[in-house]
Amino acid sequence: DVVMTQTPVSLSVSLGGQVSISCRSSQSLVHNNGNTYLSWYLQKPGQSPQLLIYKVSNRFSGISDRFSGSGSGTDFTLKISRVEPDDLGVYYCGQGTQFGGGTKLELK
Amino acid sequence: EVQLVESGGGLVQPGRSLKLSCAASGFTFSNYYMAWVRQAPKKGLEWVATISTSGSRTYYPDSVKGRFTISRDNAKSSLYLQMNSLKSEDTATYYCARHDYYSEDYWGQGVMVTVSS
Repeated sequence: DVVMTQTPVSLSVSLGGQVSISCRSSQSLVHNNGNTYLSWYLQKPGQSPQLLIYKVSNRFSGISDRFSGSGSGTDFTLKISRVEPDDLGVYYCGQGTQFGGGTKLELK
Repeated sequence: EVQLVESGGGLVQPGRSLKLSCAASGFTFSNYYMAWVRQAPKKGLEWVATISTSGSRTYYPDSVKGRFTISRDNAKSSLYLQMNSLKSEDTATYYCARHDYYSEDYWGQGVMVTVSS
């Protein structure tokens, strides 16, 4: 089974700042069809998770361009620029059947 | 607007059964794979089951295989999760989610299942 490892576990940021979250998989996420299926989710306090990024770098409908995804193979990164209060919560990476352990983004 | 509304949760004794339902609206339900994802209290996300558009293919992790059954009724735009032989470790909030591009792109509000004597 694929294991998804996220770092760091928690992150403090100032409003307006920039942060990066790393996600590493135990095996390549390149599918037989050549696509790489790695997604990022945000779970705000008391809410359901919401999809931010799919297929490594594609922003989901309505997601701000302050969120960007990158990476390939087994190493992936989510960058959040100009952090706003509404960005706070727990971020998860996922590949369809496995999720990372989560990264909690808090205000400094 | 895509909406997913779960129901059927509650308190159940270990070893008993429970069936969750998810009513979908705002999209052509029969065109999408669907999934259940759960979250134990204060824990992360855990994939529970996925079902193909027709319902002919289902997928489960080892932790629930043989105990849980995912099904769907495309005529009713509804998704189900039959949970048998429940254990305390199945205590969680269960989310219904639409599955697309190997992602869960829309999520319900979740329904709580508590397994305790």
